[in-house]
Amino acid sequence: QVQLKETGPDLVQLTQTLSITCTVSGFSLSTYNVHWVRQPPGKGLEWMGAMWNGGGTDYNSAFKSRLSISRDTSKSQVFLKLNSLQTDDTAKYFCARHTGGYNYHYFDYWGQGVMVTVSS
Amino acid sequence: DIQMTQSPSSLPASLGERVTIICRASQGISYNLNWYQQKPDGTIKPLIYYTSNLQSGVPSSFSGSRSGTDYSLTISSLEPEDFAMYYCQQDASFPYTFGAGTKLELK
Repeated sequence: QVQLKETGPDLVQLTQTLSITCTVSGFSLSTYNVHWVRQPPGKGLEWMGAMWNGGGTDYNSAFKSRLSISRDTSKSQVFLKLNSLQTDDTAKYFCARHTGGYNYHYFDYWGQGVMVTVSS
Repeated sequence: DIQMTQSPSSLPASLGERVTIICRASQGISYNLNWYQQKPDGTIKPLIYYTSNLQSGVPSSFSGSRSGTDYSLTISSLEPEDFAMYYCQQDASFPYTFGAGTKLELK
């Protein structure tokens, strides 16, 4: 069955770089897109960026040049790197599979998320 | 960016009640509106995609519709497992954006 699982640190220091891995199973990264979404404690969801099945990426401009998404299809892994961390980057980070048809798309499977705290 | 204004932010309701949550887009999104449910343990699942299409496995008590720039999620008869957070999301243009969420709670 389709599964996504995020792994990463619980705690990261201010100004450092956050690295999270999303390991997927039950589908191929060459067929489906995987996106990243985050959720600060007690707040709503924020779309961060996308890894498309063809290998391209798109990013939310809110993260300017701090965000990088990559993948290793042979290992079924998608990677998120967010640098210059600030305290407001404290959040639960989710990866989600993105699917759809000709003119519609949505997130049909989500990981459980990984909670990351940025500490000074 | 397209702003999604979701209301209400909190919705007290009773078992068996019919409830509706609304999302209004700041510009046209051409039916590209999805709904998600987030349980207290944090797990997120899709409910409705492309305004009115029911995700496989989701009870038929859930439905979605559009009226102008307003998109609605309706639950026809609340069950205990329906009390959760609900979010709308537009995928008409980047960046994808979500509504602020509606907490459906037991009255």
